[in-house]
Amino acid sequence: AQSVTQLGSHVSVSEGALVLLRCNYSSSVPPYLFWYVQYPNQGLQLLLKYTTGATLVKGINGFEAEFKKSETSFHLTKPSAHMSDAAEYFCAVGTGNQFYFGTGTSLTVIP
Amino acid sequence: KAGVTQTPRYLIKTRGQQVTLSCSPISGHRSVSWYQQTPGQGLQFLFEYFSETQRNKGNFPGRFSGRQFSNSRSEMNVSTLELGDSALYLCASSLRWGLAGGQETQYFGPGTRLLVL
Repeated sequence: AQSVTQLGSHVSVSEGALVLLRCNYSSSVPPYLFWYVQYPNQGLQLLLKYTTGATLVKGINGFEAEFKKSETSFHLTKPSAHMSDAAEYFCAVGTGNQFYFGTGTSLTVIP
Repeated sequence: KAGVTQTPRYLIKTRGQQVTLSCSPISGHRSVSWYQQTPGQGLQFLFEYFSETQRNKGNFPGRFSGRQFSNSRSEMNVSTLELGDSALYLCASSLRWGLAGGQETQYFGPGTRLLVL
């Protein structure tokens, strides 16, 4: 069975500080990896995804993530946090015919 | 291009009742997946429909069912509602079925928040 682990259900950063949200996965086959963001009372919005090719993936809103096969990780980063980044972030693995989501990380940005 | 729409946005039901939720995918998308989101369990896959056929199913009881129409619109039905069915139900659409082995991008609707009393 696939699993996606997001370390830290709640992360707080100061405005302007580095954002680092962690995601580790278990997969017996090469996975496809996604990060989604969810704002209150809204659905999920795709931030970025890794399918093949370059392991450093750039997404919207200044976010990027790096696929590290040896570490089975796909951590999400942003150099400088903005107040508008406060939201719930979900890492997901696509493999086989299904998606598997992590339990989410709630990001708080402190002014 | 219009996004994924879900109706209704909010719903209150009582135990034992049944409920039907609707999802209209992005124009041209033929795959519709349903997810249940709860604080305790997170996002869990319910099922996927493509070309009016259920292609994949998650680990949910038979009280949860769905269907897809020829225009790709999908409905999800939950019968004999239980308190634990209270959740945000998300619908996602994509072009290809089976998520193309997992690499297909899904586009999510805003969800239907169901409260069972």
